Amino acid sequence: AQKITQTQPGMFVQEKEAVTLDCTYDTSDQSYGLFWYKQPSSGEMIFLIYQGSYDEQNATEGRYSLNFQKARKSANLVISASQLGDSAMYFCAMREPDSGNTPLVFGKGTRLSVIA
Amino acid sequence: GAVVSQHPSRVICKSGTSVKIECRSLDFQATTMFWYRQFPKQSLMLMATSNEGSKATYEQGVEKDKFLINHASLTLSTLTVTSAHPEDSSFYICSSRAGGKDTQYFGPGTRLTVL
Repeated sequence: AQKITQTQPGMFVQEKEAVTLDCTYDTSDQSYGLFWYKQPSSGEMIFLIYQGSYDEQNATEGRYSLNFQKARKSANLVISASQLGDSAMYFCAMREPDSGNTPLVFGKGTRLSVIA
Repeated sequence: GAVVSQHPSRVICKSGTSVKIECRSLDFQATTMFWYRQFPKQSLMLMATSNEGSKATYEQGVEKDKFLINHASLTLSTLTVTSAHPEDSSFYICSSRAGGKDTQYFGPGTRLTVL
């Protein structure tokens, strides 16, 4: 079974609008970490936001927020006030358990296109 | 944030040659380094986990004799693609954790093209 599922291969959003990128995960671990990365065409992986499984508050980083619904095992990324520079691939990832020697497992990604 | 550098950023080689990719942690000690591979229009797939001073752990289906990983110091891990073939053409990217658990930094990646 897939650990991370991103069901939207591609998304379009109008500039200045908000957009939600979906991510669901599968784990039986109590301790896990959820990440979102942005990958522009250059290929670099840009860290956006992190949510720990024990964190009660939804994580926020500037225009990025993570809608963490633990019972539903979902960790959707919300980008507010979209900008043209937000056009890129976005990957959801999980680390289980949430420790330093555990690699991230990635979803298939969502390609976001911001339209002027 | 912490910086991970990777060299070279791009390499083109002939089939049968070996290519070495270096990954350095510039401002932290990387006890563990993860190596990923990304084929075009696909996601990142973990190849192996290397720990400083010990043998790397390879994922199922990844040939350890073909993808040699060395992690001799806390700031340097290398991946050598031996006897490269066109099907090895891919984007290789390293990653390590620095500091708190909300961190997992990636190098800028190496685009390998085997002719």
